Amino acid sequence: EVQLLDSGGGLVHPGGSLRLSCAASGFTFSSYDMNWVRQAPGKGLEWVSGISMRGESAYYADSVKGRFTISRDNSKNMMYLQMDSLRAEDTAIYYCAKDLEGSWGIDYWGQGALVTVSA
Amino acid sequence: QSVLTQPPSVSGAPGQRVTISCTGSNSNIGAGYDVHWYQQLPGTGPKLLIFGNFNRPSGVPDRFSGSKSGTSASLAITGLQAEDEAFYYCQSYDSSLPGSKVFGGGTKLTVL
Repeated sequence: EVQLLDSGGGLVHPGGSLRLSCAASGFTFSSYDMNWVRQAPGKGLEWVSGISMRGESAYYADSVKGRFTISRDNSKNMMYLQMDSLRAEDTAIYYCAKDLEGSWGIDYWGQGALVTVSA
Repeated sequence: QSVLTQPPSVSGAPGQRVTISCTGSNSNIGAGYDVHWYQQLPGTGPKLLIFGNFNRPSGVPDRFSGSKSGTSASLAITGLQAEDEAFYYCQSYDSSLPGSKVFGGGTKLTVL
């Protein structure tokens, strides 16, 4: 059974940093691209970042480019999102998400990690 | 403002049929990229409902169906049930935003 466990959320001041983690199990982690998708309170889904299966390519939404860094450790079946220079508008639930092979979709989602940016 | 456009809300009585539209452009749906649909029940994370325009994952009832034509896609739900009340999101890929996934703004389905 595929499982994605998000962790690392919390309360942080504007300008601060936080690192999210995603622990994957139940599939061959190194064979799939992975993503972070967020959902601000009462809002829709927003793709944040994606990383290729071997980690050689990373992609970012314009809203986080230059502030967030995605990475993965295939030896540990882990993915990370380092979030720096956080802003109030980054407040959201962040979901780890597994790519659906071959069609740019998502077939499995984590339970989400709440990030609150507030003074 | 979302790259893909969905109606904010739709509603229907139990047993009825409803459709949710998803309108894109020639850089995403119109360019031939697949459309996927997700269901988000109250207080939960999203769940894959339709993939590759019209395919259902195992366990999704055949009351849910997807279609695509030109720069648009649609999700149809027949035999509405109270448990279908949720938010529905469409998603595709956009060639003008390398590596990214684009979502619709979401549609709230209310079962009357």
